[in-house]
Amino acid sequence: QVQLRESGPSLVKPSETLTLNCLVSNWSMTIGHNWAWIRQAPGQGLEWVASVWPGGPTTYNPSLKGRVAITADASKNQFSLTLTSVTAADTAVYYCARDGPMDYWGQGLLVTVSS
Amino acid sequence: NFLLTQPHSVSESPGQTVTISCSGSGGIVGANYVMWFQQRPGRAPTTVIIENDRRFSGVPDRFSGSIDRSSNSALLIISGVKTEDEADYYCQSYDNNNLKVFGGGTKLTVL
Repeated sequence: QVQLRESGPSLVKPSETLTLNCLVSNWSMTIGHNWAWIRQAPGQGLEWVASVWPGGPTTYNPSLKGRVAITADASKNQFSLTLTSVTAADTAVYYCARDGPMDYWGQGLLVTVSS
Repeated sequence: NFLLTQPHSVSESPGQTVTISCSGSGGIVGANYVMWFQQRPGRAPTTVIIENDRRFSGVPDRFSGSIDRSSNSALLIISGVKTEDEADYYCQSYDNNNLKVFGGGTKLTVL
């Protein structure tokens, strides 16, 4: 079945830029599908962050106010999330998922924003 | 703004039927597809229902989804609930701009 695995830093300082990667296995991103990032702050619910169609449109959660960018490299079977000017409010477990609808999820990566 | 509201928690005894609601405001539930996700403690979410009422691959037929247009709600119904079904459940749909919206989640306790 489709597998996804997040990678990136576990600790980021306030005001810095966070970059996360998601490697997709057992599915070629060149076939199609949207791909998404979702996050979950400690003890809170799920929050959709962004989605991308490789080589195509991107959509973003308006609440992130232009701080977020999602990109996909179908040739490498991976997609990425960049979040700028992070604060403690960005501390969360970040999940990547195959989208359209969201069906397969990664295991998640806890990112803590702290000095 | 399109919002999805779920009860904070529900509880039921093993073998009974439990229904979790996902009520919409600022829009019509079912105008766009509704999905349901299960999240066991400390684990990543898994997909239960897609496209309102389709069980995702490998999901037991104890789980079903529906749209109740009279209450502008989506429903997740678990028949013959088991202790292994204890988890948080989230609904998800789309707003008028086709952006994803999650409900706040419902904690299911099987007593």
